[in-house]
Amino acid sequence: DQQVKQNSPSLSVQEGRISILNCDYTNSMFDYFLWYKKYPAEGPTFLISISSIKDKNEDGRFTVFLNKSAKHLSLHIVPSQPGDSAVYFCAASTSGTYKYIFGTGTRLKVLA
Amino acid sequence: DAGVIQSPRHEVTEMGQEVTLRCKPISGHNSLFWYRQTMMRGLELLIYFNNNVPIDDSGMPEDRFSAKMPNASFSTLKIQPSEPRDSAVYFCASSFVRHPGELFFGEGSRLTVL
Repeated sequence: DQQVKQNSPSLSVQEGRISILNCDYTNSMFDYFLWYKKYPAEGPTFLISISSIKDKNEDGRFTVFLNKSAKHLSLHIVPSQPGDSAVYFCAASTSGTYKYIFGTGTRLKVLA
Repeated sequence: DAGVIQSPRHEVTEMGQEVTLRCKPISGHNSLFWYRQTMMRGLELLIYFNNNVPIDDSGMPEDRFSAKMPNASFSTLKIQPSEPRDSAVYFCASSFVRHPGELFFGEGSRLTVL
């Protein structure tokens, strides 16, 4: 069973507009969430994270929102740029386990 | 500072052959993870080590898969015998346990089993 779900396999957005990538999880024990970005033929690279004690974390054009009651997090990219075109993975972990569970990924395409 | 190093980058083999994938984590990191990427399951955790000790291998699909970490700077993932459904990209990642969340991934080993 998939504990971390990314229900949109792909997303296309116009350059300059907002990209919103969504992620749902089922395990209420998860307390740390991350987003990774992956380009073809490369390993995933860390983008941004959020602890369950927060509901928002911002880093430049990237903002992650966490809704614990809905077990939902989202990544907002504003403004979107062609270089943001990649596969985005969300991941979750529980303190003390260091076990990171990843979703299936969403392929973002930013159109110039 | 060198990142996580994986070898080989590409491996093509025939069904039934033994496959060994190798990983050198970032120096100083004390956790090491093996993931497999497939279209259907995304990044699937196979096994992870903390201080060279396997902590959770519940993601290892079958007894055909085994992983070792003989020291802090080297790990192997072995598949014996390999099957076509094992074809995937296998990633190794490492982290320093005091900073959870920043997994550093290697570039992956793309395995094709014919």
